[in-house]
Amino acid sequence: QQQVKQSPQSLIVQKGGIPIINCAYENTAFDYFPWYQQFPGKGPALLIAIRPDVSEKKEGRFTISFNKSAKQFSLHIMDSQPGDSATYFCAASNSGNTPLVFGKGTRLSVIA
Amino acid sequence: GAGVSQSPRYKVTKRGQDVALRCDPISGHVSLYWYRQALGQGPEFLTYFNYEAQQDKSGLPNDRFSAERPEGSISTLTIQRTEQRDSAMYRCASGGQVNTGELFFGEGSRLTVL
Repeated sequence: QQQVKQSPQSLIVQKGGIPIINCAYENTAFDYFPWYQQFPGKGPALLIAIRPDVSEKKEGRFTISFNKSAKQFSLHIMDSQPGDSATYFCAASNSGNTPLVFGKGTRLSVIA
Repeated sequence: GAGVSQSPRYKVTKRGQDVALRCDPISGHVSLYWYRQALGQGPEFLTYFNYEAQQDKSGLPNDRFSAERPEGSISTLTIQRTEQRDSAMYRCASGGQVNTGELFFGEGSRLTVL
């Protein structure tokens, strides 16, 4: 049973576009929702994270939108750049009880 | 070092051999996690430690897999009697807090079982 479902699997956008990556979760006990960014040959690195007490969090060009009732959260990248081309993973955990579970990833390509 | 260090970076072994993968976490980090990442997939949880105590090993695929962190710092993931299906990238991550917060991943150990 996949605990975090991520879509789309891959995404191609033009420079300046706003790619949106979606995740859905099932475990209502999850209370921590990070997004990780991974470049080829490197380990995943934390990009931005949200907790369910807020519906949106913005850090620079990256925004997480969180819908607790729908058990969904999404990553938006404003004014995307070729340097944003990477694989993005959503994840979720129940702080203090369970380790992070990851989605299968979205391969983003931003073309100039 | 400044980041999580894993060794070896690449390991090729024959089926049936034992392998040991090492993780040196960021100094002072309490939590240490082992994940396995297949090509084109997300990291899959294997096991984790808080200090030297193994908190959860529910993700270990079978009893050929084991991990230890005897002094609460360096950890070793051991795979006995390797099989071809064990071929994957094995990633270690450490965190400064117990069970919460940011995980810092190493660059991984790529295991190939022939």
